[in-house]
Amino acid sequence: DTGVSQDPRHKITKRGQNVTFRCDPISEHNRLYWYRQTLGQGPEFLTYFQNEAQLEKSRLLSDRFSAERPKGSFSTLEIQRTEQGDSAMYLCASSPPVSGTDTQYFGPGTRLTVL
Amino acid sequence: AQTVTQSQPEMSVQEAETVTLSCTYDTSESNYYLFWYKQPPSRQMILVIRQEAYKQQNATENRFSVNFQKAAKSFSLKISDSQLGDTAMYFCAFINSGGSNYKLTFGKGTLLTVNP
Repeated sequence: DTGVSQDPRHKITKRGQNVTFRCDPISEHNRLYWYRQTLGQGPEFLTYFQNEAQLEKSRLLSDRFSAERPKGSFSTLEIQRTEQGDSAMYLCASSPPVSGTDTQYFGPGTRLTVL
Repeated sequence: AQTVTQSQPEMSVQEAETVTLSCTYDTSESNYYLFWYKQPPSRQMILVIRQEAYKQQNATENRFSVNFQKAAKSFSLKISDSQLGDTAMYFCAFINSGGSNYKLTFGKGTLLTVNP
């Protein structure tokens, strides 16, 4: 079990550029989540996948944000026309296909800085 | 909507001593789960301990234990024999049980510093 991985770990971009982040969940975890964490705050939920289906999107996810999980394995989060307010840590988590609490296991995050 | 409140932005403790971090939450649900996650500086978030709301017994994991008071909607974390490696941001989190349980709601965190 190699844990949740995210790539890149850091991304610096200029305002208006598009960026894409990747998340590889723990193998056999069919649930995948994206959260955003700004400085001094707890993570905030962005979106949730069960297998390849995106079942929930937060109101925080504006039209400039899109997430995919095409084959039910890795997921990508794309931000178009980045703004300085998008600067944050983007966390990915996964959980196994069992009933009950389904503890979420987090990746190391991608820190985005928009200049 | 569920909310999680951590009223202590920062705390410090001497190595080997005991410290308690506070968390309160608000929900209308009866079945849910509570978690404490630890986020060391520049490192990823890891699960410390979890509690099922239907269990009366408080969860324990080695030096970490919780005091779960369901009626008061309180969920505090006690760290015994604090170690330097316990220095981290600690987040209390809540999730509903049931078919739609997917969204963790976090508090703002408590920064714990363990001093030598």
